[in-house]
Amino acid sequence: DAKTTQPNSMESNEEEPVHLPCNHSTISGTDYIHWYRQLPSQGPEYVIHGLTSNVNNRMASLAIAEDRKSSTLILHRATLRDAAVYYCILRGNSGYALNFGKGTSLLVTP
Amino acid sequence: DGGITQSPKYLFRKEGQNVTLSCEQNLNHDAMYWYRQDPGQGLRLIYYSQIVNDFQKGDIAEGYSVSREKKESFPLTVTSAQKNPTAFYLCASSPLTGTNGPQHFGDGTRLSIL
Repeated sequence: DAKTTQPNSMESNEEEPVHLPCNHSTISGTDYIHWYRQLPSQGPEYVIHGLTSNVNNRMASLAIAEDRKSSTLILHRATLRDAAVYYCILRGNSGYALNFGKGTSLLVTP
Repeated sequence: DGGITQSPKYLFRKEGQNVTLSCEQNLNHDAMYWYRQDPGQGLRLIYYSQIVNDFQKGDIAEGYSVSREKKESFPLTVTSAQKNPTAFYLCASSPLTGTNGPQHFGDGTRLSIL
């Protein structure tokens, strides 16, 4: 699976939107972009995934660049419960396991 | 509610001892996985299984063993050969249909050396 690059940490104010970037310049045409998050002392939680088009669900939105070399996870109104490590993962057709990097640690302040 | 149950939440191992971590899922998923997470790091794959009675090594399988006798269960044994077992262990499952369905994770087992 191709590699992703994310900032080590980001900070946001509560009730503000948060844009978490991810670069994946070596993405292949069949790689899906997945996002997971992990709260302290818990297992990772699936957030959203997409291939080419922007995606929305109840948790977040995923904006994918036209050339697919980058994407952005958007939390529309950050809450204190959104403080977590967010992982951007590319998932191709080979293999079933997820390749987790170090992710972005999001701090949300009141 | 459907989900993945890992037990125990905390486990202590003595030198030279084998310990087994339990993972049960009631999501009717075919695939199951074991990951290890060290402090401040991402997850690394230990073993995975796509079907009962079959499993494959991941990136860091040395010192670990697994079995998959039932679809619902995928226990992980940390053997005495694993010299640095202190870590957070996470079990996950997913459907086998395609490779792009989300994985569902348990809440982990934290293993420490006495």
